[in-house]
Amino acid sequence: AQSVTQLGSHVSVSEGALVLLRCNYSSSVPPYLFWYVQYPNQGLQLLLKYTTGATLVKGINGFEAEFKKSETSFHLTKPSAHMSDAAEYFCAVSEAGGTSYGKLTFGQGTILTVHP
Amino acid sequence: NAGVMQNPRHLVRRRGQEARLRCSPMKGHSHVYWYRQLPEEGLKFMVYLQKENIIDESGMPKERFSAEFPKEGPSILRIQQVVRGDSAAYFCASSPRGTVNTEAFFGQGTRLTVV
Repeated sequence: AQSVTQLGSHVSVSEGALVLLRCNYSSSVPPYLFWYVQYPNQGLQLLLKYTTGATLVKGINGFEAEFKKSETSFHLTKPSAHMSDAAEYFCAVSEAGGTSYGKLTFGQGTILTVHP
Repeated sequence: NAGVMQNPRHLVRRRGQEARLRCSPMKGHSHVYWYRQLPEEGLKFMVYLQKENIIDESGMPKERFSAEFPKEGPSILRIQQVVRGDSAAYFCASSPRGTVNTEAFFGQGTRLTVV
């Protein structure tokens, strides 16, 4: 069975500072990995995904994530935080080669607060 | 092309009543997933449907919950005899293909409150 752990339910940064949101996963087969963002009272929006190929993935709004198989991690980063980045972020995993459809297992979420 | 539409956005039900949550997938999408988000938790998979078929309902509670995706019309998540513990946000996602690397697009959710 696969699982996702997001370290830190709340992360607070100053505007302009580095954003680092941590995600570790466990999967018995090669995973596909995703980061979603959820703004208050909104649905989830895909930030980026890793399927195969380059392990450093660039997404929307200046975010990127690196797949590290040896560390079973997929941490999300952004060099300089903006006030509009304040939201809740979810890491998710889907099994590649296992089930043939896109069922996602989500982490618990990390709420990002950005201070002026 | 409108996004995934869920209605109602907010639903209040008394204990014992029925709740019907609707999801209209994006145009051309025939694959629908339902997820539940309990307070302070991440989203949990409930059910995966393809037009007129339930493919995987491993995340659905055994009783009171059912889902359908008819040939015509939206997907429906039905909760009978609701209890306080059913209070949550229910999200629907749709996809044009049922493959692991195909992006699923999420609706804005229905927030169910049981009083």
